[in-house]
Amino acid sequence: DQQVKQNSPSLSVQEGRISILNCDYTNSMFDYFLWYKKYPAEGPTFLISISSIKDKNEDGRFTVFLNKSAKHLSLHIVPSQPGDSAVYFCALLRNSGNTPLVFGKGTRLSVIA
Amino acid sequence: AAGVIQSPRHLIKEKRETATLKCYPIPRHDTVYWYQQGPGQDPQFLISFYEKMQSDKGSIPDRFSAQQFSDYHSELNMSSLELGDSALYFCASSSGVSSYEQYFGPGTRLTVT
Repeated sequence: DQQVKQNSPSLSVQEGRISILNCDYTNSMFDYFLWYKKYPAEGPTFLISISSIKDKNEDGRFTVFLNKSAKHLSLHIVPSQPGDSAVYFCALLRNSGNTPLVFGKGTRLSVIA
Repeated sequence: AAGVIQSPRHLIKEKRETATLKCYPIPRHDTVYWYQQGPGQDPQFLISFYEKMQSDKGSIPDRFSAQQFSDYHSELNMSSLELGDSALYFCASSSGVSSYEQYFGPGTRLTVT
């Protein structure tokens, strides 16, 4: 049973517009949430994270929002750039660091110039 | 900055053969994780080590074993290979129990024929 769901396998966005990637989870025990970006033939690259005590974290063009009551998080990229085209995984941690990540299946983002 | 190193990058083996994958974590990182990503799938956690001791175990088959050495590098040993073992194998490292971000290597693509 998939604990972390990214229901959109793909997303296309025009350059300069906002990209919104969504992630839902089922287990309330997760308390740290991360987004990874993956290019072909490379490993996932850490992008941004948020702990369960916050509802928003911003880093440059990237903002992650967490709605704990809805068990939902989202990644906003604005403005989107062609170099953002990649597969984005949300990944969740239980309890604390030093524990394994539980990944969603990923969303392939295509930013069109 | 130094990243996680994995070797080999590509490996082709026949059924019932053995394979050894190596991972060199980021310097001063004490925790290593192994993940398996099948085609079109999300990365699945296999096993992790903290300070050379196994810390978590996921969906790792009994045919696989792993260890972390005194220099913190890790090796994943895979025996009696099956066609279904064909996948990308990622190693990730992190620093300490309070560190949430895991940094991934480029992966080893294993093909079993």
